[in-house]
Amino acid sequence: QVQLEESGPGLVKPSGTLSLTCAVSGDSITNTYWWSWIRQPPGKGLEWIGEINHLGATISNPSLKGRVTISADKSKNQFSLNLTSVTAADTAVYHCVRKKMGDGRSADFWGQGTLVTVSS
Amino acid sequence: DIQLTQSPSFLSASVGDRVTITCRASQDSNSYFAWYQQKPGEAPKLLIYAASTLQSGVPSRFSGSGSGTEFTLTISSLQPEDFATYYCQQLNSYPLTFGGGTKVEIK
Repeated sequence: QVQLEESGPGLVKPSGTLSLTCAVSGDSITNTYWWSWIRQPPGKGLEWIGEINHLGATISNPSLKGRVTISADKSKNQFSLNLTSVTAADTAVYHCVRKKMGDGRSADFWGQGTLVTVSS
Repeated sequence: DIQLTQSPSFLSASVGDRVTITCRASQDSNSYFAWYQQKPGEAPKLLIYAASTLQSGVPSRFSGSGSGTEFTLTISSLQPEDFATYYCQQLNSYPLTFGGGTKVEIK
């Protein structure tokens, strides 16, 4: 069974950098998937942040104005999110997700999520 | 960006009811469309992908249909465990986008 688990600080100061890691078990991040980050502000809907594929190609949401970096560590079978210059609007539950490619593309496995609060 | 308008945003229904949720896309999404169920405090769960394909392990009372710009999720006979929030997602083009959600509550 594929499992994803997010880890990182639960509190980040305004203007700082949010850094999260997703540990993957039951699958290899070198397999043919996209490995994604999706967030959900408290009481609100879902927002796609960005993703990295098995070849290391990345793409992110233009709405986040270049603040996103996604990277992968194959030796540890994990991938990471860095979000710079955070504000209170970045407070959310952050989920890491496995996304299938091709005709059946969809987010089939999700981490439980980790709440990150931006506050001084 | 493809905007997804999901309706209704809130739905009150009884056990055994047939429920339909609609998602309209601002541009053609082909059939790269998925539906998710989310319960409080939990991660979303994939129900339907490719607009109409049931994810493994999901009960057959869930079904999806549509293509292009209009998609529907139908629950044929609502069960107590189905009370949750449902989201649609288009995966045709970047940035990937979600609908605003439909909260299904007990009548």
